[in-house]
This record gives sequence, structure tokens and C-alpha cells, in this order.
Amino acid sequence: DAGVIQSPRHEVTEMGQEVTLRCKPISGHNSLFWYRQTMMRGLELLIYFNNNVPIDDSGMPEDRFSAKMPNASFSTLKIQPSEPRDSAVYFCASLKVSRGQRNTEAFFGQGTRLTVV
Amino acid sequence: GENVEQHPSTLSVQEGDSAVIKCTYSDSASNYFPWYKQELGKGPQLIIDIRSNVGEKKDQRIAVTLNKTAKHFSLHITETQPEDSAVYFCAASRNSGYSTLTFGKGTMLLVSP
Repeated sequence: DAGVIQSPRHEVTEMGQEVTLRCKPISGHNSLFWYRQTMMRGLELLIYFNNNVPIDDSGMPEDRFSAKMPNASFSTLKIQPSEPRDSAVYFCASLKVSRGQRNTEAFFGQGTRLTVV
Repeated sequence: GENVEQHPSTLSVQEGDSAVIKCTYSDSASNYFPWYKQELGKGPQLIIDIRSNVGEKKDQRIAVTLNKTAKHFSLHITETQPEDSAVYFCAASRNSGYSTLTFGKGTMLLVSP
């Protein structure tokens, strides 16, 4: 498997523009996470899907952020409108989990470095 | 929710020395503690993990210890090498179907030749 695939790797956009980040989880994984990484705040969980259903979106900073997972092999994180303070590296991670099963390794993608100017 | 504190934020050692990174957590129900290594321009990658039924785990030059009573766990790297230079993250989660990882802020380890 190629691992978790994120695109684009780098994105530079102007303030006010819409930004869409994409993620393809590892085949067979049923949980998907979006994280944001900044120097000040470290790795923050934005939203978590299980079997394509959003379970916890309490980390989404505000209504400008939205995430979808239309099927088991694809997820998007959208920011509309984008602001300079959204500049960060956004990571997608996936793992396979079942009820009653012990936690297993979360695999991270390479990340998307977003710069909003 | 869970809160994970990690220290130090930066650590510089000479090649061959040992490095220790410490984390504390707040949720007594947490029972899974992975450590991730993040190299420049890459995503975090799991290097070792420990579950609450174990006090220590070793994998070659890497070891983790867990003290559930004190709610702290540590990463030990012996005989450090320049390629160990990276950012290391500890994390904690509950052992349930819908648990999520809470990460520490990270430790930048620099190993000088």
C-alpha cells in the first residue's frame, strides 16, 4: 500500500479564497483523522471520522472549516474563506479500529503545507 | 478531555549519549501511549508504543516506561546517532473503538556528531 496520500503537498493562496485539501486513507482503514500542526499549538485534532461518519468535530476552529468523507477512500477538508492564521501543515491520518479491539497504529500522510497570504 | 504535557521542548545531545523525553497525561482512563517521530517535511511515524498493562517496553535502542499511578511515561534513546535527530511526539488515548490520540507539543532532538 502507498500509505496515506494527501494532496496537494503545498498550497499558497490569497486571503478570502477557498482551499480544499484532499486525503486518501490506507485501504481497509475505517477511521480517518484531520490534524493541524503549528509551532505554537503543536498537533491539534480537527475532526475524526469512523466508517465515513463524523464522530467528533469539536476541534474544528470555526464555521469556515468543513470536512467530508463521501466514501471510505476519500476525504476533504475545506476552508472557506481562508485567512492568514489558517497557515499551517494539515495532516490526515488513518487506522483500522473495531469495537473492543485494542488501539492500533495511526498512519499519517506527508501533510499539506498551507500558506495564506 | 485528555491533556498531554511533554518536556523538554528541545534537547541537544552528543552522538552516543542517551536522550530522555518525558510526558504526563491527565485522563486516568487513558491506556495506550504511542511515540511518534517526525522528520523534516514528513508526517509523524510510530516508533514504539506501550499499553497500560505493561511498565516497560524495549526495541533495540529505544525504550518506553510507564507509571500509571503518577500518570507519566518516558521515551529513552540510548547510543544516539545523528539520524535520530527529529521531532518526537508522545500521545495518549483510551482503549475504545472511538478513541482519539491526544498529542504532546513535541520535543526537537538534535544529535551532534
